[in-house]
Amino acid sequence: EAGVTQFPSHSVIEKGQTVTLRCDPISGHDNLYWYRRVMGKEIKFLLHFVKESKQDESGMPNNRFLAERTGGTYSTLKVQPAELEDSGVYFCASSRNRLVSSYNEQFFGPGTRLTVL
Amino acid sequence: KQEVTQIPAALSVPEGENLVLNCSFTDSAIYNLQWFRQDPGKGLTSLLLIQSSQREQTSGRLNASLDKSSGRSTLYIAASQPGDSATYLCAVGGYNTNAGKSTFGDGTTLTVKP
Repeated sequence: EAGVTQFPSHSVIEKGQTVTLRCDPISGHDNLYWYRRVMGKEIKFLLHFVKESKQDESGMPNNRFLAERTGGTYSTLKVQPAELEDSGVYFCASSRNRLVSSYNEQFFGPGTRLTVL
Repeated sequence: KQEVTQIPAALSVPEGENLVLNCSFTDSAIYNLQWFRQDPGKGLTSLLLIQSSQREQTSGRLNASLDKSSGRSTLYIAASQPGDSATYLCAVGGYNTNAGKSTFGDGTTLTVKP
C-alpha cells in the first residue's frame, strides 16, 4: 500500500508569490489533515478534511491560506501571497475513519519544505 | 486548550541501555495518543497508537503506556540501538469537537552511541 505522498518536496519562492502544495493520501482514507512546523516551533494543526468537506479549519493562520480537496481524493494547500513567516515544513496526514477508533491512526507524508525569501 | 510537553528535550545514551521518554498533556479528555519518530529531513513514522480506553501498547522493543487521569504517557525503548537515534514525538488526539485534530509536543531528540 502506497503511503501519503506530498509534492513538491522543497519549494523556494519570493515574498508575495503564490505556492501550491499537493498531498495524496493513502487510498481509501477519508480523513486528510494538514499540519506545519515553523522554525523552532512544534508541529501545529492547520485543518482536517473528511472526504471533500472541511471538518475543522481552526488552525489556518489567515485568509492567505486556502485548502481544497475536490472529489475527496488529493488535497492542495495554496498560500497567496506568501510571507516570510510562512516558511517551514508542511505535513499532510491521512487516516481511515475517525469514528472507528482502531482506524484513527494518522499516517504522515514526508512533508514539503517551504522557504519564502 | 490542549498543551503537550515532552521531557527531556534531548537524550544521549550508550547502546544497549533501556530508556524512557515522557509526554504530558493538560486536558485528559483525549481520543487517543500516538507516538512517532522523525529522522532528519524525513516525515513522521507512526510507532504506536494508544486509544483512550487502553493503558498500553507494545511493538517489538517499544512499549507505550497511557495514564489519562494524570495526563501522562511514556515510551519505553528496550535495548537501545544506534538506529533508534531520531526525534520522538508525542501527539494527542482531541475528543468531541476536536476529534481528528492532534496536538504535538516539541519532541525528544535521542542519540544512541555505539
